[in-house]
Amino acid sequence: RKEVEQDPGPFNVPEGATVAFNCTYSNSASQSFFWYRQDCRKEPKLLMSVYSSGNEDGRFTAQLNRASQYISLLIRDSKLSDSATYLCVVNGAGGYNKLIFGAGTRLAVHP
Amino acid sequence: NAGVTQTPKFRVLKTGQSMTLLCAQDMNHEYMYWYRQDPGMGLRLIHYSVGEGTTAKGEVPDGYNVSRLKKQNFLLGLESAAPSQTSVYFCASKYGISNQPQHFGDGTRLSIL
Repeated sequence: RKEVEQDPGPFNVPEGATVAFNCTYSNSASQSFFWYRQDCRKEPKLLMSVYSSGNEDGRFTAQLNRASQYISLLIRDSKLSDSATYLCVVNGAGGYNKLIFGAGTRLAVHP
Repeated sequence: NAGVTQTPKFRVLKTGQSMTLLCAQDMNHEYMYWYRQDPGMGLRLIHYSVGEGTTAKGEVPDGYNVSRLKKQNFLLGLESAAPSQTSVYFCASKYGISNQPQHFGDGTRLSIL
């Protein structure tokens, strides 16, 4: 079983749609959770951290379910510029030193 | 603000050649990392460093060596390049022990013929 698993997609949605991505992780001791965005042939960029109580940043909402070891990202009112690959990231065994990256979920927003 | 800078951006090598990738950060971060990213796969950690003069192995360290002689620089070396090392290499850095994200350089695209 991979340490961090994501649906690879692609998710093809029209502008204005709401789309949700899910991610599961295997290390129950993980404490740090993030969503990164990666555009084609570019470096990963932090989208948002994920907190235990859930958090929102504009059109983006992240949720964490520790009991189920599950993280989600909800994007409302999708824009063409949201087209990218979204990476679920969790800290690995050994504390905060190492992050484990999921393979990513591709999102394509069309007019 | 430079952030994390990687050099070179692109390189083509022949099998058996050696080279060094340079990562420099100006954010006074303690931790630095080298990853490789291959099509359809997540980022895989090669080596990392938790401070000047320290290095540690990651998930896929074979065929690579690293050095962190200065806090701001983290070097990744390929002693004898192999076609399997064709990849995109990313460097990242972060503040020390804390719930902080990593910040990435814009990558080095390396092809081994």
